[in-house]
Amino acid sequence: EAQVTQNPRYLITVTGKKLTVTCSQNMNHEYMSWYRQDPGLGLRQIYYSMNVEVTDKGDVPEGYKVSRKEKRNFPLILESPSPNQTSLYFCASSTGTGADTQYFGPGTRLTVL
Amino acid sequence: AQTVTQSQPEMSVQEAETVTLSCTYDTSESDYYLFWYKQPPSRQMILVIRQEAYKQQNATENRFSVNFQKAAKSFSLKISDSQLGDAAMYFCAYRTSFTTSGTYKYIFGTGTRLKVLA
Repeated sequence: EAQVTQNPRYLITVTGKKLTVTCSQNMNHEYMSWYRQDPGLGLRQIYYSMNVEVTDKGDVPEGYKVSRKEKRNFPLILESPSPNQTSLYFCASSTGTGADTQYFGPGTRLTVL
Repeated sequence: AQTVTQSQPEMSVQEAETVTLSCTYDTSESDYYLFWYKQPPSRQMILVIRQEAYKQQNATENRFSVNFQKAAKSFSLKISDSQLGDAAMYFCAYRTSFTTSGTYKYIFGTGTRLKVLA
């Protein structure tokens, strides 16, 4: 089954404790992306990647890191989480061509205390 | 920079009736893509419909259709014969054209919550 998986689905952590949210896709997609969703703000793109070892900043990259060492994986790293990073996070992937459809993961609800 | 505006935070529609959700955007690009996504209470993001800017014909998917006005930079979603299962948050999204480095980015609106009344 074609899918994007994210782990964990829910996470409660404390300020400053490094964490990684994993994202994996099984569709051999070139393009992968991370978003955060906040009430009243919609989805905002954090980082995106068109290929292995190539990543670009979205509109809200501060406080986040990503890596794309393999085509299928695109982890999101928060090295020193802060309460303002409490949000719902989505990973998505697509072929990277034409009017391609983005496939979204199920989301990760992160709470930083 | 591109922007996407959804001016209706919340809309209501009677079951079986028609509702239109509005979306406007700002861009200097001539080649881009527009999307409507649905997010039900499950939080899953579901593609409803997409429109290529170079196509003049409005996209249609069953009960969902768009009114794409390129000159006015407007991209509204019409839902006909509304059903209870249509209740969700709807997001309008803009995908940029390819950059010189061969990539693109997405900009989403703030969403419209649609309630369907039985």
